[in-house]
Amino acid sequence: AQSVTQLGSHVSVSEGALVLLRCNYSSSVPPYLFWYVQYPNQGLQLLLKYTTGATLVKGINGFEAEFKKSETSFHLTKPSAHMSDAAEYFCAVSDVNNAGNMLTFGGGTRLMVKP
Amino acid sequence: KAGVTQTPRYLIKTRGQQVTLSCSPISGHRSVSWYQQTPGQGLQFLFEYFSETQRNKGNFPGRFSGRQFSNSRSEMNVSTLELGDSALYLCASSLALAASYEQYFGPGTRLTVT
Repeated sequence: AQSVTQLGSHVSVSEGALVLLRCNYSSSVPPYLFWYVQYPNQGLQLLLKYTTGATLVKGINGFEAEFKKSETSFHLTKPSAHMSDAAEYFCAVSDVNNAGNMLTFGGGTRLMVKP
Repeated sequence: KAGVTQTPRYLIKTRGQQVTLSCSPISGHRSVSWYQQTPGQGLQFLFEYFSETQRNKGNFPGRFSGRQFSNSRSEMNVSTLELGDSALYLCASSLALAASYEQYFGPGTRLTVT
């Protein structure tokens, strides 16, 4: 069974500072990896995904993530935080051997951006 | 292209009642999944449908059921509502039934059970 751990349920950064949101997975086979963002009273929006190929993945809104197999990690970063980045972020995995779209989500990290 | 739509957006029901939630996927998408989001349990997979067939099911009681129609629209039903069913129910659609394909989420239906 797969599981996803997001370290830090709340992260606070200053505007312009580096954003680092951590995600580690547990799976017998490296899964496909996704980062989603959720703004208040909205659904989830895909930021980026890793399936195969280059391990550094660039997404929307200046975010990127790097898949590190040896560390079973897929941390999300952004060089400079904006106030509009304040939201909840979810890391998710899907099983490469599963003939379906089922996602397993981490517990989420709420990002706060201070002016 | 219109996104995933869910109706209704908000719903208040009483314990013991049943409820039906509706989801219209993005045009051309044939896979629809449902998730429950609560503060305590986070995001949990309910079930997914493709070509009108349930393909996967999460660990939820039989009170939770769903179906998909020939136009890919989907409904989920919860019978004999309990207080713990209060949650945001999210629908997601995908172009194909494959783990590498991203899912596009709707805004959700906020269900409150009193």
